[in-house]
Amino acid sequence: DTGVSQDPRHKITKRGQNVTFRCDPISEHNRLYWYRQTLGQGPEFLTYFQNEAQLEKSRLLSDRFSAERPKGSFSTLEIQRTEQGDSAMYLCASSLRGVGASTEAFFGQGTRLTVV
Amino acid sequence: AQSVAQPEDQVNVAEGNPLTVKCTYSVSGNPYLFWYVQYPNRGLQFLLKYITGDNLVKGSYGFEAEFNKSQTSFHLKKPSALVSDSALYFCAVRDGTEGNAGKSTFGDGTTLTVKP
Repeated sequence: DTGVSQDPRHKITKRGQNVTFRCDPISEHNRLYWYRQTLGQGPEFLTYFQNEAQLEKSRLLSDRFSAERPKGSFSTLEIQRTEQGDSAMYLCASSLRGVGASTEAFFGQGTRLTVV
Repeated sequence: AQSVAQPEDQVNVAEGNPLTVKCTYSVSGNPYLFWYVQYPNRGLQFLLKYITGDNLVKGSYGFEAEFNKSQTSFHLKKPSALVSDSALYFCAVRDGTEGNAGKSTFGDGTTLTVKP
């Protein structure tokens, strides 16, 4: 399978714990996005990388959230001191900018986080 | 700033009848418009896009959408609905102006139910 993959698919954690999610984009894609989706709403943009550079962060991304893409390939999203309001589906997407660009983003299946 | 409105939370149609799922948008630059579909326990799947050119765009599974610049709309249509089209549909907009970061803003989704 050459699509976007996310790990884990599900995560249950206690309030106050730290969690980390991983996203492996489509291999030739240089843009990577993180979105958050709660029930009854569409995906909300969190942050965006072009190669290893984090170019934009949403106001939704509080100081407890950090994302990295160290070698311009996979990315991690860490949430520190989780709160119940962090419970959501975290989606990763990738796209290609440049020659042969795909203007649409391709999404992974998401990581569902439940904070208890 | 960019935004998307999907005015109907739910659309119900009978199998074989035409369907329309509505979307209006707001963006300061060039509108790039997308439709995605989400099935239960599946990731967002790209259906079709408008970037430039013909206002009527065709996509996967027999879906099409019409870009209307004056009404800032991008309604999703299909001439004859199938029960298997039942899913959650998201419209998204991106500012396609050169140099833009490339994040997409999504609507809150419309649940399409096709009854036999």
